[in-house]
Amino acid sequence: EVQLVESGGGLVQPGGSLRLSCAASGFTFSSYSMNWVRQTPGKGLEWVSHISGSSGNIYYSDSLKGRFTISRDNAKNSLFLQMNSLGVEDTAVYYCARPGTTATGTWAFDIWGQGTMVTVSS
Amino acid sequence: EIVMTQSPATLSVSPGERATLSCRASQSVSTNLAWYQQKPGQAPRLLIYGASTRATGIPARFSGSGSGTEFTLTISSLQSEDFAVYYCQQYNNRYTFGQGTKLEIK
Repeated sequence: EVQLVESGGGLVQPGGSLRLSCAASGFTFSSYSMNWVRQTPGKGLEWVSHISGSSGNIYYSDSLKGRFTISRDNAKNSLFLQMNSLGVEDTAVYYCARPGTTATGTWAFDIWGQGTMVTVSS
Repeated sequence: EIVMTQSPATLSVSPGERATLSCRASQSVSTNLAWYQQKPGQAPRLLIYGASTRATGIPARFSGSGSGTEFTLTISSLQSEDFAVYYCQQYNNRYTFGQGTKLEIK
């Protein structure tokens, strides 16, 4: 079964850091680019970051202002998101998502994890 | 950044009737447009990609159309399980989501 499982969320104080993980199974992880998408409470979806299968191409949402870093470990079928200088506006459910093709570039997301909640509060 | 605007914000429709949801892009995205369904407490589910291609396992009552800047998701005969929030997403230039349309029972 194709599956993505996020972990690492929790409560963090403003200005703090957190590292999210996404464990992939049931497909050839290294062949796919991967993405992080977040959803603020009661609101819509916001794309956060993209990383290609080889880690050669990485993109971020302009709204992050350089505070987040995406990475992956293909040997461990894992995706990561290092989040620094967190603010209350970063409070959200964070999803990892896989596109529906191994082709390079951007594509619709056909596989999503269940999400991990990040709460930034003092 | 490409801005995606969905309308209406809320749509009230009776079961068995047709629902039509709209999505507009601030600039052309060709047919690089997807639709997702999200129910409370769940991750989004891909319904349509390429503006009009149903994803695997999606019932034929869901259909998508459009190209360029104007797109439509139509649900031909609403079932109880279709009442949810629907998002459009462009993937022509990175990714942007619309703000969602809540489809509720009338």
